[in-house]
Amino acid sequence: DGGITQSPKYLFRKEGQNVTLSCEQNLNHDAMYWYRQDPGQGLRLIYYSQIVNDFQKGDIAEGYSVSREKKESFPLTVTSAQKNPTAFYLCASSTGQLSNQPQHFGDGTRLSIL
Amino acid sequence: AQKVTQAQTEISVVEKEDVTLDCVYETRDTTYYLFWYKQPPSGELVFLIRRNSFDEQNEISGRYSWNFQKSTSSFNFTITASQVVDSAVYFCAYYGSGGFKTIFGAGTRLFVKA
Repeated sequence: DGGITQSPKYLFRKEGQNVTLSCEQNLNHDAMYWYRQDPGQGLRLIYYSQIVNDFQKGDIAEGYSVSREKKESFPLTVTSAQKNPTAFYLCASSTGQLSNQPQHFGDGTRLSIL
Repeated sequence: AQKVTQAQTEISVVEKEDVTLDCVYETRDTTYYLFWYKQPPSGELVFLIRRNSFDEQNEISGRYSWNFQKSTSSFNFTITASQVVDSAVYFCAYYGSGGFKTIFGAGTRLFVKA
């Protein structure tokens, strides 16, 4: 089955620690996205990538980093500079290089601070 | 700047009732796309519909229907004869041709009671 796989489902971060959230897709999509979801709020864009080896900052990129070395993979690192990382993180992908196409989402990773 | 407003934070209905979820958007773009997504308790967002700004035809898909009115900048979603499985958070989203990101509303949480 084609889809997006996010791992882990739950993640705990200690103070001063960097953690990496995995996102893999087998849909052959060009574009990939990372969103953060806080209770009662919509999705906010952290980073997006329209093509391999290229990515752009979204609205709330500070404290996060990404890479796009392979078309299938778009990992997100939450660095120690992100002071309020507790949230639900969603990875998505879409065909083409623009966001006018429907996005396909993973099941999300819930990150908490220890 | 573009904006998507879902004024209803939570709606609670009894099974078999009809329910309408409101979505109002602000834009100066002439070409844009509107989306609805469903987020069940499992967490992933599921795409429901996409509409472009040149197509104001209403659409019906089973118990779901959408009313797009450019004159009032609204794209409302109606569920007819609601079922418990419809319980979820529903997001309205906007993509404008001038940008690279999708703007999500804050979401409406729908509870359908048996």
